Amino acid sequence: SAVISQKPSRDICQRGTSLTIQCQVDSQVTMMFWYRQQPGQSLTLIATANQGSEATYESGFVIDKFPISRPNLTFSTLTVSNMSPEDSSIYLCSVVGTLSSAGYTFGSGTRLTVV
Amino acid sequence: LAKTTQPISMDSYEGQEVNITCSHNNIATNDYITWYQQFPSQGPRFIIQGYKTKVTNEVASLFIPADRKSSTLSLPRVSLSDTAVYYCLVGDRGGYSTLTFGKGTMLLVSP
Repeated sequence: SAVISQKPSRDICQRGTSLTIQCQVDSQVTMMFWYRQQPGQSLTLIATANQGSEATYESGFVIDKFPISRPNLTFSTLTVSNMSPEDSSIYLCSVVGTLSSAGYTFGSGTRLTVV
Repeated sequence: LAKTTQPISMDSYEGQEVNITCSHNNIATNDYITWYQQFPSQGPRFIIQGYKTKVTNEVASLFIPADRKSSTLSLPRVSLSDTAVYYCLVGDRGGYSTLTFGKGTMLLVSP
């Protein structure tokens, strides 16, 4: 299965600032997904990022708050903009498994604390 | 997307077999059933996937009845390191549909 490197692994940020999270995959993938996991909660899909097109956002998430870049088939970034304490969560990227490996592969996540 | 229902939590002891059942009454004909495991401070990890009957790998077994409206993840002889949250998901095999996570089952394995 694909190997995902996600960074930073954690950060503490001041409210009102922005943080960009990077996700690097060791193979070319068509679709990449960004999730948020609030403390003690399950994962919620933020958006789907396809190379060469605008990301598709889920209900409750908007591009101005969570801009996403997908410059090539192995890399994507998620920016959390104008942060508030409510944005404190774990953010994870994910890719579809290969034909020989079912399921989705997830990065280890970025633990964001906004103070 | 089919919704899943799992127990919120389960307790077990080392060496026991643990069975976690998930109901998915609205599963579609082309949906697969996939289970993930998540440890604290890590992303979910794929455990097993199946469509019908029984699937077994080196980690777990997945039992799916004929009507496919439920599934059971079976973990043989659990250890302390199996303490984690287990998610049951239904949907595309892993192609081009997005994943919807339910609340998952927190499994606590005690000595």
